[in-house]
Amino acid sequence: DVKVTQSSRYLVKRTGEKVFLECVQDMDHENMFWYRQDPGLGLRLIYFSYDVKMKEKGDIPEGYSVSREKKERFSLILESASTNQTSMYLCASSAAAYEQYFGPGTRLTVT
Amino acid sequence: QQQVKQSPQSLIVQKGGISIINCAYENTAFDYFPWYQQFPGKGPALLIAIRPDVSEKKEGRFTISFNKSAKQFSLHIMDSQPGDSATYFCAARVGNNDMRFGAGTRLTVKP
Repeated sequence: DVKVTQSSRYLVKRTGEKVFLECVQDMDHENMFWYRQDPGLGLRLIYFSYDVKMKEKGDIPEGYSVSREKKERFSLILESASTNQTSMYLCASSAAAYEQYFGPGTRLTVT
Repeated sequence: QQQVKQSPQSLIVQKGGISIINCAYENTAFDYFPWYQQFPGKGPALLIAIRPDVSEKKEGRFTISFNKSAKQFSLHIMDSQPGDSATYFCAARVGNNDMRFGAGTRLTVKP
């Protein structure tokens, strides 16, 4: 069974903190994605990676960075968390043009 | 700016009824149109998908209707059940990685 896991289900951080969200997939997929999900806005792409050490900006990359040192792991970094980054963060992976598999999400609250 | 417009935002249907969710798009380069189902506390999971060379696809109680000339597609859930209560997202993809999601529809099926 395919599996995408995210390091935390719930996270509470203070404004200005550096935040790391980790995602691991066990399907040997080339592509990995980070989305944020907000009510009424659907899923918006932050960054994606199509290979180790490769990354592409999505629609809303400001305030975020990513790291992919190994094929199975894709990290999202909030350099200095702000309250407007309070959201649900979803990681996904896919093989080439096939469907995306999502993790359970991390609900991040920045106070 | 939402590239895929989804309606309604929420939907309440009686058990046994038909649930209909609509989506519209502008970009004619989209070549793959999936629907995702998301239960509370879970990530979205692929429900059914269609390509633009087909006008309808049916899988069990779930049917996608696709109107290429109108740039619209819809999800029909026949004989809706309380277990179908979830948030549904339509999406459209161009290339391997560029997936655009609708804002989501929260479906409640009353027993």
